[in-house]
Amino acid sequence: GNSVTQMEGPVTLSEEAFLTINCTYTATGYPSLFWYVQYPGEGLQLLLKATKADDKGSNKGFEATYRKETTSFHLEKGSVQVSDSAVYFCALKTGANNLFFGTGTRLTVIP
Amino acid sequence: DVKVTQSSRYLVKRTGEKVFLECVQDMDHENMFWYRQDPGLGLRLIYFSYDVKMKEKGDIPEGYSVSREKKERFSLILESASTNQTSMYLCASTLGGPGANVLTFGAGSRLTVL
Repeated sequence: GNSVTQMEGPVTLSEEAFLTINCTYTATGYPSLFWYVQYPGEGLQLLLKATKADDKGSNKGFEATYRKETTSFHLEKGSVQVSDSAVYFCALKTGANNLFFGTGTRLTVIP
Repeated sequence: DVKVTQSSRYLVKRTGEKVFLECVQDMDHENMFWYRQDPGLGLRLIYFSYDVKMKEKGDIPEGYSVSREKKERFSLILESASTNQTSMYLCASTLGGPGANVLTFGAGSRLTVL
């Protein structure tokens, strides 16, 4: 079946620290992979995506590389800001119409 | 930009009441979804619809029903609300077909059942 396992939170970092949020997946076929972000009081929005092995998605200083050999899609950012405080969701999509989401990781960045 | 609008941001209802959550999207998307978001559980799919009058059960459909009479509107119905349905409800839409189609989410409806 299809599933996503992501790093338990919450994560608290100081401003300018390095961020990694781990995500691994199980999927039939060749999924597309996504990171969504939910800022306080808002719905989810797409942060980045990758559609095939070795693709790197990037946006707003965040990056994630689709690693088929380790079935992973870890989210990284070199220097976090207070404005990055949010909940981050890893997700996968197969040929069907549904997305499978991880449980979310809450990030808090302190000045 | 695609917009997904959920009619109510906050609702408070009593046990046994019938509850309607409305969702409208303005970009002619084929697929629409209702998710429930709970701490530590992430997003769980309740129902989705890939066309007018079509619906499919998701992972947790019990206690819910849906209606899609028009392409742009997808309603979630709680026939008899219960306290364990207190949650954040998220509507989303996307183009149909395979591929890396991105979900566009509404802002959410936070329902409290007393």
